[in-house]
Amino acid sequence: AQTVTQSQPEMSVQEAETVTLSCTYDTSENNYYLFWYKQPPSRQMILVIRQEAYKQQNATENRFSVNFQKAAKSFSLKISDSQLGDTAMYFCAFMLNRDDKIIFGKGTRLHILP
Amino acid sequence: NAGVTQTPKFRVLKTGQSMTLLCAQDMNHEYMYWYRQDPGMGLRLIHYSVGEGTTAKGEVPDGYNVSRLKKQNFLLGLESAAPSQTSVYFCASSWGVNPTDTQYFGPGTRLTVL
Repeated sequence: AQTVTQSQPEMSVQEAETVTLSCTYDTSENNYYLFWYKQPPSRQMILVIRQEAYKQQNATENRFSVNFQKAAKSFSLKISDSQLGDTAMYFCAFMLNRDDKIIFGKGTRLHILP
Repeated sequence: NAGVTQTPKFRVLKTGQSMTLLCAQDMNHEYMYWYRQDPGMGLRLIHYSVGEGTTAKGEVPDGYNVSRLKKQNFLLGLESAAPSQTSVYFCASSWGVNPTDTQYFGPGTRLTVL
């Protein structure tokens, strides 16, 4: 069975700083995808970034980038130049290429301080 | 486009009462999902549907039933509510089941069972 672990329940950083959220996962499969979802106080989840396991290059989306270490089964999210609007709950998630379900971690609550 | 909408936004039930949560999407998506989110936990899949007239069990299906009579709607029913079903419920939809098919989430329904 696949599992996703987020070891940081809560984090706070000052506005404009860079912050890294950690995620580890466990699987015996080779073909899968990893995701970071953002859930702001409004509660509506949105996809931040997606990484395909067979791609060595780390995915980036503007200020958001990942550090994907396949051998270590690690998938961290880096937010550069953090903004107040980045305050949210962030979920790391996993999906097998052959499956139809996403497995979510427990989340990291991120506070961006003015 | 409204995207994914959920009705109602909040509801309080007494133990043993029944209710139906409605999810609607206007993106012509084939796939729809119901998740629950509990404090300190990630989203867990309750039921999902791969097309009109189909339903399938997710990770935590007990105590819930679903129906997908129309492509745009996915209903989640609680026949006899229990306090353990107090949670925030999210609906999501996607074009397909591939990991490259982004799931779009609704704003959630907060349900309290007394």
